[in-house]
Amino acid sequence: DTEVTQTPKHLVMGMTNKKSLKCEQHMGHRAMYWYKQKAKKPPELMFVYSYEKLSINESVPSRFSPECPNSSLLNLHLHALQPEDSALYLCASSQPRGSGNTIYFGEGSWLTVV
Amino acid sequence: AQKVTQAQTEISVVEKEDVTLDCVYETRDTTYYLFWYKQPPSGELVFLIRRNSFDEQNEISGRYSWNFQKSTSSFNFTITASQVVDSAVYFCALRVRYGQNFVFGPGTRLSVLP
Repeated sequence: DTEVTQTPKHLVMGMTNKKSLKCEQHMGHRAMYWYKQKAKKPPELMFVYSYEKLSINESVPSRFSPECPNSSLLNLHLHALQPEDSALYLCASSQPRGSGNTIYFGEGSWLTVV
Repeated sequence: AQKVTQAQTEISVVEKEDVTLDCVYETRDTTYYLFWYKQPPSGELVFLIRRNSFDEQNEISGRYSWNFQKSTSSFNFTITASQVVDSAVYFCALRVRYGQNFVFGPGTRLSVLP
């Protein structure tokens, strides 16, 4: 069983809604990630938090807003999304960079924007 | 820059056949790490193996085996006596030392037919 848990598993939201995706890890990792994956494509990095500080933002639109309340929690706040934002959103964690540490993924949140 | 190529987009085999998934990588870094992940239809990316650039020893884990050859920049994955439960998309990925992200290959969709 994965030690990175994501909620909700499925989310349908309108373009004017505000919702959040949540992620929790229990491995003591100090780096957490959000990835976006479209159908038949590999995951694409969105954000990286290292020691609870945002260290990478891959030019993601401001309608996606990440938050890292503590070392084990990661949120992704969603507002005014577009239908093309429909995708699988994967949370992941690892030890911070330094030795090619393995990234462990959660089960993902399937997002549909209508 | 780094790049990972998985030339096989889709593979179909009949149960109990052996199948090899190819992965070719490019990097100028001398220290790097290679990974394989399995993604079943449920969405979770399941970690399978991590290999360091300085360790070319092949590895076997049950029905899975990996062949790492630096001379050809390849890290191929073989499933022996495939089973229906092996049906998934398999991603090869590369992470360089001190890198915070993976470079994923495009993935290979494996279908094992009963």
